[in-house]
Amino acid sequence: GAGVSQSPSNKVTEKGKDVELRCDPISGHTALYWYRQSLGQGLEFLIYFQGNSAPDKSGLPSDRFSAERTGGSVSTLTIQRTQQEDSAVYLCASSRDRFSGNTIYFGEGSWLTVV
Amino acid sequence: ELKVEQNPLFLSMQEGKNYTIYCNYSTTSDRLYWYRQDPGKSLESLFVLLSNGAVKQEGRLMASLDTKARLSTLHITAAVHDLSATYFCAVDMVGGRDDKIIFGKGTRLHILP
Repeated sequence: GAGVSQSPSNKVTEKGKDVELRCDPISGHTALYWYRQSLGQGLEFLIYFQGNSAPDKSGLPSDRFSAERTGGSVSTLTIQRTQQEDSAVYLCASSRDRFSGNTIYFGEGSWLTVV
Repeated sequence: ELKVEQNPLFLSMQEGKNYTIYCNYSTTSDRLYWYRQDPGKSLESLFVLLSNGAVKQEGRLMASLDTKARLSTLHITAAVHDLSATYFCAVDMVGGRDDKIIFGKGTRLHILP
C-alpha cells in the first residue's frame, strides 16, 4: 500500500477483554516498529521487528502485551486482559530496513480506550 | 539507559521570529530523526541525520547533529503560523546494547500571528 495501515483506527473495549491491533507496513519494508503514545505525552518504544524477528522485547510494558509478525509483512500487537492504563494511541511504523538509516514512516495509529 | 531531553517543552513565539529547539541525549549515537505531529494526527518525518556535523534544511526548518556534544538542534527561521505543531526528536541506538529508537517528550510550538 501507499502508507502504513493500521486497524482498527478506534477501539473501545471493556476492562479485562483482549484486543488485537494490526499493522500493515509499506510494501517492501522489512523493519516494523510499535510505539505507544498516551494523551499529550511522548512516544514509548514497545518493540521492533526486522523481518519476522524481534531482537528485544524488553520494551513491552508487561506480559499482557505480545507482538508477532509473520511473512515479513503484517504485524499484530495483542493486549490481554486490558486495563484502563492501556488506553493510548498505538502507533506502528515501518522502514526499508533497521540498519541503513532510512526514513521511518508512521501510520495513523489505533486509538484504544479501555472502559 | 538512553535519555533524550528536549527543550523547551513548550514554546510560544511571534510570527517572523527565529528560534531553536534543542535535543540532548545521554549515550553515543550518530543517528537522529526529527518529526512533526499535528493535533490528533500521526507523525510526519522531517529530517534524518546520520553523521556528526550533518545539516539538513527544508523551507524554514534546519536541523543539525553534533554527535560529540550529543546534541541536535532544530532551527526555525522567520516562523509562520503553519509551523505550529509538536516537534519530536528521536535517537536511534541501532546495533547498541539497547537496540531501540527513543523519542524525546516533544516541543509544543505555538506561533502567534
